[in-house]
Amino acid sequence: EVQLLESGGGLVQRGGSLRLSCAASGFTFSTYAMSWVRQAPGKGLEWVSGISGSGDSTYSADSVKGRFTISRDNSKNTMYLQMNNLRAEDTAIYYCAKDLDTPIRGVFDYWGQGTLVTVSS
Amino acid sequence: SYVLTQPPSVSVAPGKTARITCERNNIGSYSVHWYQQKPGQAPVLVISYDSDRPSGIPERFSGSNSGNTATLTISRVEAGDEADYYCQVWDPSSDQVFGGGTKLTVL
Repeated sequence: EVQLLESGGGLVQRGGSLRLSCAASGFTFSTYAMSWVRQAPGKGLEWVSGISGSGDSTYSADSVKGRFTISRDNSKNTMYLQMNNLRAEDTAIYYCAKDLDTPIRGVFDYWGQGTLVTVSS
Repeated sequence: SYVLTQPPSVSVAPGKTARITCERNNIGSYSVHWYQQKPGQAPVLVISYDSDRPSGIPERFSGSNSGNTATLTISRVEAGDEADYYCQVWDPSSDQVFGGGTKLTVL
């Protein structure tokens, strides 16, 4: 059974940093691309960042470029999102999502339950 | 960049057919994916690559994509189908990967 477990969310001041983790199990982690998708309170889904199965390719939304860094450790079956210089508009539930393929296809067949990030001003 | 436009809400009576649209110029040239999200839950992929149904998704869910409109069709709607539905086109160079979402209300 595929499981994705996010952690690392919490309350942080504007300008601060957080590192989110996504622990994966139930599939060959290195075979699949992964992404972070967020959802602000009462709002829709926003793709944040994605990484290929090998970790060689990464993409990020313009809204987080230069502030957020996605990475993965295939030996630990874990993906990360380093978030720096956080803004109030980064407040959201952050979901970890598994892609259907090794390169990033942007088709998310499994999602974690999310971790809440709250940025106070 | 491009915008994926969905109606904010769609209402349908139980047993009827719901159609949720996703509009974008020439969307028929792209693969469209659909997600269902119920309150307090993570999204679930219900249609991939325009019309493929993942394992475990009822046959009542189907998709199509042509021209400037992609459509998610839910036949014989049930109360349990009430949720938010999002279309998605993968283009990391775009400002918007997901549509704005449509709230499906079962009357």
